[in-house]
Formats: sequence, structure tokens, C-alpha cells
Amino acid sequence: KNQVEQSPQSLIILEGKNCTLQCNYTVSPFSNLRWYKQDTGRGPVSLTIMTFSENTKSNGRYTATLDADTKQSSLHITASQLSDSASYICVVTFFSGGYNKLIFGAGTRLAVHP
Amino acid sequence: EAQVTQNPRYLITVTGKKLTVTCSQNMNHEYMSWYRQDPGLGLRQIYYSMNVEVTDKGDVPEGYKVSRKEKRNFPLILESPSPNQTSLYFCASSLGVGATYNEQFFGPGTRLTVL
Repeated sequence: KNQVEQSPQSLIILEGKNCTLQCNYTVSPFSNLRWYKQDTGRGPVSLTIMTFSENTKSNGRYTATLDADTKQSSLHITASQLSDSASYICVVTFFSGGYNKLIFGAGTRLAVHP
Repeated sequence: EAQVTQNPRYLITVTGKKLTVTCSQNMNHEYMSWYRQDPGLGLRQIYYSMNVEVTDKGDVPEGYKVSRKEKRNFPLILESPSPNQTSLYFCASSLGVGATYNEQFFGPGTRLTVL
């Protein structure tokens, strides 16, 4: 069964600290993996995208990694800021029935405290 | 400004009273989709549309209808809402589904409460 699992469910860190969020998937055949940031009450916004051949992608203080062999991805946030408080969603795209389809993880809720 | 808009943003209704949530995008995207988001669960796809007049069921289509008569609009219809449809709804659009870089652009969400 195609699944995307994220850990931890929630995380609290102090401002300025680093953190790493995990995403494990069992989706096949894999097309790409994207990390979204969702602020409370808003729609998700794309942070990074990686295809099978890419194993790291950065967007400012956000760095995503992908290990397609173990089907694991991580999102590392450096020098966290209060504005990083949000849910982070891992989305895996796979090819089925002639189309790309999306599987969403449940997300990790991050709270950055001063 | 490129965007996906949804209306209304908040809605409280009663069981059985038909309602429509509108969705519009101004990016000339072919692919549009509706999702619902419930606590502890990931976004779940309700319906999607590949292009005008082409729609298909997602993972949780029961109790919902959609139509795609114009490229920019993709309304979500609840003919007879029930309390288990209380949720946060998102509309999204993307250039297509065949491309590798199929970024979904999400609307601001509609919080629906069915009493």
C-alpha cells in the first residue's frame, strides 16, 4: 500500500536551534518528493522538490535530503525562527494509470519558542 | 497576482442544506483538485479534474460532487451535508499532472462546520 509517514508528529524547539523532520514512504513507482510548509489556517506552500536522482535540495535555511534506496527523506531547518512555527508536510508523487498521483503525509507540527 | 481563491472562507450550516464552495485560479492551470484536512490525518483528495469537463474521484469522494465547465473554476458541491463533512477544505491547482515538477498551488482553505 502506498503510504507516507512522518515523524515526529510534533516538535518544540527554541529559537535559533536546528531541527530535522523525517519522512518515510512506501510509494512506488516514485516520481518526486516535495516538502510543503503550512502556516496555521493557510494553504500549504512548496519548499523543495526532489526527483529520484537528486539527494539534496536547499531553500534558504531549509535543506531537504532524499535517499531513494531506503525511501527516506528529511527536512533540516537551520537557525530556527519564530516564523518557522508551522506544519511541514511531505508529499510523494507516483505514477499510476497514466497520471502522477499524490500521497500526503500527516505532517509534523513544529513550534519554535523564544 | 497568481493565486487560487476559495469562497466562502468560513461556513456554518445545518445537516441536509445544499451548499457550494467555489474555487477559482488565474494561472491557466489544467489540473485542479479538492482536498479535505482533518486533525491527525494528511490531506485527502476528494475529486480532481484534468481539464474542462474531465473529472474523477479521489480517495474520499462520497457525499461530494464537482463540475469543471470552465478552466478557471472548480466548485465543490455538497448536496446534503452531514456532520462528518465538517472539515477544512482546500482547493489546489497545478500546470498538469504529467510533468515532473507538478507543484500544487493551494487556496487559503474553507472551514466548514455542519451542525
